[in-house]
Amino acid sequence: DADVTQTPRNRITKTGKRIMLECSQTKGHDRMYWYRQDPGLGLRLIYYSFDVKDINKGEISDGYSVSRQAQAKFSLSLESAIPNQTALYFCATSDPGQGATDTQYFGPGTRLTVL
Amino acid sequence: GQNIDQPTEMTATEGAIVQINCTYQTSGFNGLFWYQQHAGEAPTFLSYNVLDGLEEKGRFSSFLSRSKGYSYLLLKELQMKDSASYLCALGGATNKLIFGTGTLLAVQP
Repeated sequence: DADVTQTPRNRITKTGKRIMLECSQTKGHDRMYWYRQDPGLGLRLIYYSFDVKDINKGEISDGYSVSRQAQAKFSLSLESAIPNQTALYFCATSDPGQGATDTQYFGPGTRLTVL
Repeated sequence: GQNIDQPTEMTATEGAIVQINCTYQTSGFNGLFWYQQHAGEAPTFLSYNVLDGLEEKGRFSSFLSRSKGYSYLLLKELQMKDSASYLCALGGATNKLIFGTGTLLAVQP
């Protein structure tokens, strides 16, 4: 079984709809992250959480919100989707204490299309 | 701020050696990561440099020079399955990763 899972894997929606992307992990990691990836722009951090009570904005958090329901679950919501949120979304996890900066482990991604 | 530069695309021949460069400007970082990403798939961790010098892991090696703001990933004995994007990323004090836009490597027979 995969250590980091994301649902759905693909989603097509319309402008203005509310969308939730879910991430679950069985690695037992405290730290979780949401990224989006666009052609030519690389991976950009949306939100991150270092434990259940900790939520932090990344470089592109506008238009997104997150919920850390449990250590193993971290959800990303688009309250009112717009076409420029069409992208590949990745969840990642890491475990502190493995070095100066944690190695991050990525889920398989969710391809979101907003029409 | 931080700025990371990588070549957009590279082509190499099966069995050969290829070096993918990454240059950066930053006020400080903990370490430099390399990830591999096949098209439409998740990035997977390859290597991590904290100190200057070479880190070797089988066919893959990564080098860091902090004074020169430079890193490279060296892939030996190239295989067709090495065709992928290679992402350079800086790890900061708050554990956030800043990624470059990646280098798309095409391995040809």
